Amino acid sequence: DTGVSQDPRHKITKRGQNVTFRCDPISEHNRLYWYRQTLGQGPEFLTYFQNEAQLEKSRLLSDRFSAERPKGSFSTLEIQRTEQGDSAMYLCASSWRDRTYEQYFGPGTRLTVT
Amino acid sequence: LAKTTQPISMDSYEGQEVNITCSHNNIATNDYITWYQQFPSQGPRFIIQGYKTKVTNEVASLFIPADRKSSTLSLPRVSLSDTAVYYCLVVDDNYGQNFVFGPGTRLSVLP
Repeated sequence: DTGVSQDPRHKITKRGQNVTFRCDPISEHNRLYWYRQTLGQGPEFLTYFQNEAQLEKSRLLSDRFSAERPKGSFSTLEIQRTEQGDSAMYLCASSWRDRTYEQYFGPGTRLTVT
Repeated sequence: LAKTTQPISMDSYEGQEVNITCSHNNIATNDYITWYQQFPSQGPRFIIQGYKTKVTNEVASLFIPADRKSSTLSLPRVSLSDTAVYYCLVVDDNYGQNFVFGPGTRLSVLP
């Protein structure tokens, strides 16, 4: 296994458009996490899944953001009606359930909203 | 939400020991404190985790006092390749289980 992968690596979109990102976790990991990181800041937690169940979603997260993990494998993060403030690096991570603090991160998807 | 603070940056020379402290209040009482390393254009990489007292692995040590209001990452004998940003990660369970990264400490190792 080559680790966590994310697609696309870069996305440029116009304000108001919808975007979707994909994350493929390490295959034997049952937990999957999404974070957002802006320049010079630490990653900001968005949501996480255990298998296909979404266990937590940040209460600071806008309703324009939604995530799915339909078969407990890959996950998608969708942002509707993008705003310039959504420009950031979107990071995905995965872990074993009983080692939730040892998260393996992907390279991220850099979103630019113009 | 739990709040974390870290020094913004630190400088060190090769071969020195570096200690980076993260202050964190209002964190979950039953969760681990974790540290990550991040290089430019990469996702964070797990370094070490601990709950109380001292933990050591092959790359670092982690010191956590009894009150768990802070933690200190210790990197022995740093090299140029240790130049990176270091984050503490704590869990805030006041509103569910939220993973809170610190603001990060940019470590520069000089020759």
